[in-house]
Amino acid sequence: QLQLQESGPGLVKPSETLSLTCTVSGDSMNNKFWSWIRQSPGKGLEWIGYVYSSGDIKYNPSLKSRVTMSIDMSKSQFSLRVISVTAADTAVYFCARQKGIWFDPWGQGTLVTVSS
Amino acid sequence: QSVLTQPPSVSGAPGQSITISCTGSNSNIGAEYDVQWYQQLPGSAPKLLIYGNSHRPSGVPDRFSGSKSGTSASLAINGLQAEDEADYYCQSYDDTLSEFALFGGGTKLTVL
Repeated sequence: QLQLQESGPGLVKPSETLSLTCTVSGDSMNNKFWSWIRQSPGKGLEWIGYVYSSGDIKYNPSLKSRVTMSIDMSKSQFSLRVISVTAADTAVYFCARQKGIWFDPWGQGTLVTVSS
Repeated sequence: QSVLTQPPSVSGAPGQSITISCTGSNSNIGAEYDVQWYQQLPGSAPKLLIYGNSHRPSGVPDRFSGSKSGTSASLAINGLQAEDEADYYCQSYDDTLSEFALFGGGTKLTVL
């Protein structure tokens, strides 16, 4: 059974970089799309982007200038970096497998707070 | 950015039926992109409830059903149960700038 688990710092200072990792277990990462989604009180659920097992990447146009995603198949992990964070980036960040245009399953989520 | 519009809240008594609407536009639902629905219980991650407009993943009760018409979609829940109390989100794709996934604002279902 495919499972995903997010990890990373829960507190990031304004203007710094947010970095998260998603560890995949229970199935191969090969030939699959892997996404990041965040949920904040002010903006609801927001798709950040996906990385394919080959390394192909697509970002949400609204975040494209600040986001970088990568994949490390040898570690069964994919990662997210968001630069120049502000309070608006405070959210619960989820990783998920993207199949077609839907998301299943999701990780449990990790809260990231941007504050000095 | 384009949006999918859902009612903020709906409610119903146990055993009753409710419907949650999701209204989009010609750049998302109306552009032939399928609609998905997710259930989010308090403190948990969203769980896929309906995909491809009307398909249920294995394990989802047939009390849940989805439909799509034009630029809108609906989630129906029949025979409401207390454990159905949750937030429900619709999701589709949009091609306004480039293709990207899009979520509705969510609907809080209260079982009275």
